Amino acid sequence: DAGITQSPRYKITETGRQVTLMCHQTWSHSYMFWYRQDLGHGLRLIYYSAAADITDKGEVPDGYVVSRSKTENFPLTLESATRSQTSVYFCASSGKTGELFFGEGSRLTVL
Amino acid sequence: QKEVEQNSGPLSVPEGAIASLNCTYSDRGSQSFFWYRQYSGKSPELIMFIYSNGDKEDGRFTAQLNKASQYVSLLIRDSQPSDSATYLCAVRVDMRFGAGTRLTVKP
Repeated sequence: DAGITQSPRYKITETGRQVTLMCHQTWSHSYMFWYRQDLGHGLRLIYYSAAADITDKGEVPDGYVVSRSKTENFPLTLESATRSQTSVYFCASSGKTGELFFGEGSRLTVL
Repeated sequence: QKEVEQNSGPLSVPEGAIASLNCTYSDRGSQSFFWYRQYSGKSPELIMFIYSNGDKEDGRFTAQLNKASQYVSLLIRDSQPSDSATYLCAVRVDMRFGAGTRLTVKP
């Protein structure tokens, strides 16, 4: 089915472990985004990508790594997870209109 | 620092009233402006976008943009309990969001 999918939907990990959140879209949208959402902070932009092999930092990039080798995929990696990275992570893509289409979110808990 | 700020909530209005949600932004190079609605536990969904100064109407929703004042607002007419949600303002170039305003419409 066409759309944007995130995996895993729920993840529990421990401090110091590496975690990768996956994002896949089937629309061939140029732009893709990663946000985190915490109470009182709305959606905060972590990284975004304008095209394959082009990525830029957002508001809160520290502790995160992204890559975009293919247009349809935009994985987000926490190289050494910390408790402060416990959050809900949303991936989104947008095409020419600029409208964002969001995935269902990945809820990450770091113990 | 590019910032997007929304009026602090929560906002409560009676059913049938007009709800007014406000947003200011700091980057004068911002090109387009979006309002999203997010129900608890769900992903944000687009309500409407606006690119040009003035008003844009879509059903019960009206977006207003004033680039000189760096201000964008959303009016919801004839508010319904189903409008109860968090409303998020987003600004592009790099699509940053405000913190959101939680709206409650009381029957």
